Amino acid sequence: KNQVEQSPQSLIILEGKNCTLQCNYTVSPFSNLRWYKQDTGRGPVSLTIMTFSENTKSNGRYTATLDADTKQSSLHITASQLSDSASYICVVSGDGGGADGLTFGKGTHLIIQP
Amino acid sequence: SQTIHQWPATLVQPVGSPLSLECTVEGTSNPNLYWYRQAAGRGLQLLFYSVGIGQISSEVPQNLSASRPQDRQFILSSKKLLLSDSGFYLCAWRSGLNTEAFFGQGTRLTVV
Repeated sequence: KNQVEQSPQSLIILEGKNCTLQCNYTVSPFSNLRWYKQDTGRGPVSLTIMTFSENTKSNGRYTATLDADTKQSSLHITASQLSDSASYICVVSGDGGGADGLTFGKGTHLIIQP
Repeated sequence: SQTIHQWPATLVQPVGSPLSLECTVEGTSNPNLYWYRQAAGRGLQLLFYSVGIGQISSEVPQNLSASRPQDRQFILSSKKLLLSDSGFYLCAWRSGLNTEAFFGQGTRLTVV
């Protein structure tokens, strides 16, 4: 069964600190992995996309990594800001997923405190 | 550029009343359209998807239905709402499988 597990479920850090969010998946066959940011009460917005051959990709203060062998991905946030408070959802795309080809993680709820 | 509009943003409806949530996409043609429900602490659940006008596929049996009267319009409906229909509903579009999903702003539905 295709699954995407994210950890931690929630995280609280002080403004300016770094943090790393984890995503483990069992989706097969694998096409790509995306990290989405979802502000409270809003729709998710894509941050990064990782394909099978990519190990690292950055988008400003966000850096995603992918280890296709161990089926793990991480999202590292550097020098966190209050606006980073949101849920971060890992989404794996592959033909083995649902009818939409997507398997969603439950998200990590990140709170940045001043 | 492509944009997706979803409305209303919030809705409070009594049990037994009808529902109509609308989603429209601009700047693209023949998109794949999706309705999801997001419950607290759970991942997004696919409710309906459509690959063309009048073509609707349902993923889970429920009290809801969907329609696609125009190429870039997707509507989520119910004839009689249940308390269990409360939740956060998201519309999304994609150009094809394995492509990025673009989400609307969501509708917070509360059935009272």
